[in-house]
Amino acid sequence: KNQVEQSPQSLIILEGKNCTLQCNYTVSPFSNLRWYKQDTGRGPVSLTIMTFSENTKSNGRYTATLDADTKQSSLHITASQLSDSASYICVVSDLSSGGGADGLTFGKGTHLIIQP
Amino acid sequence: DGGITQSPKYLFRKEGQNVTLSCEQNLNHDAMYWYRQDPGQGLRLIYYSQIVNDFQKGDIAEGYSVSREKKESFPLTVTSAQKNPTAFYLCASSIQGGTGELFFGEGSRLTVL
Repeated sequence: KNQVEQSPQSLIILEGKNCTLQCNYTVSPFSNLRWYKQDTGRGPVSLTIMTFSENTKSNGRYTATLDADTKQSSLHITASQLSDSASYICVVSDLSSGGGADGLTFGKGTHLIIQP
Repeated sequence: DGGITQSPKYLFRKEGQNVTLSCEQNLNHDAMYWYRQDPGQGLRLIYYSQIVNDFQKGDIAEGYSVSREKKESFPLTVTSAQKNPTAFYLCASSIQGGTGELFFGEGSRLTVL
């Protein structure tokens, strides 16, 4: 069964500090991996999408890495801001669905709190 | 601006009542999806549609129904057969093929009294 595990479950850091969120998956065959940011009570917003051949992708202060061999991904947030407080969700797509959105496995998310 | 609009944002329902959640998109996307989100759990797929007048059950379709009469609209009905309907419901859309990036609405929170 395809699974996506995220750690830590929750994290509290001070404003201005860096942090790294982890995502391990067992989805096979792999198509792509996505990171979403979800503010409380709102819909998720895409941060990055990475395919098998990509091992690093940045979006402003967010940098995602992918190791397809070990089936691990990380999301690094640099110089955190109060607006980074949110849940971060890792989502993996399997190739059997053509890489489309109907073959996605969602992680439970990491709840990040930035304190002033 | 292009996007996905869900309504209502908050909805209260008495046990035994059916309710319909609206989802409209103007992104010209072929595929639309309904997810359910519960605290401490990942998003779970209820139904999805890849083309007008066609839709498929997801992992937790029991107690739900949908229709796709127009490309822009994909309403979800939560029926009285759904035993635990209190949840946050998210509608999403994507372009068929490619990376299938999902674009989400702002969600609808349903509470059963």
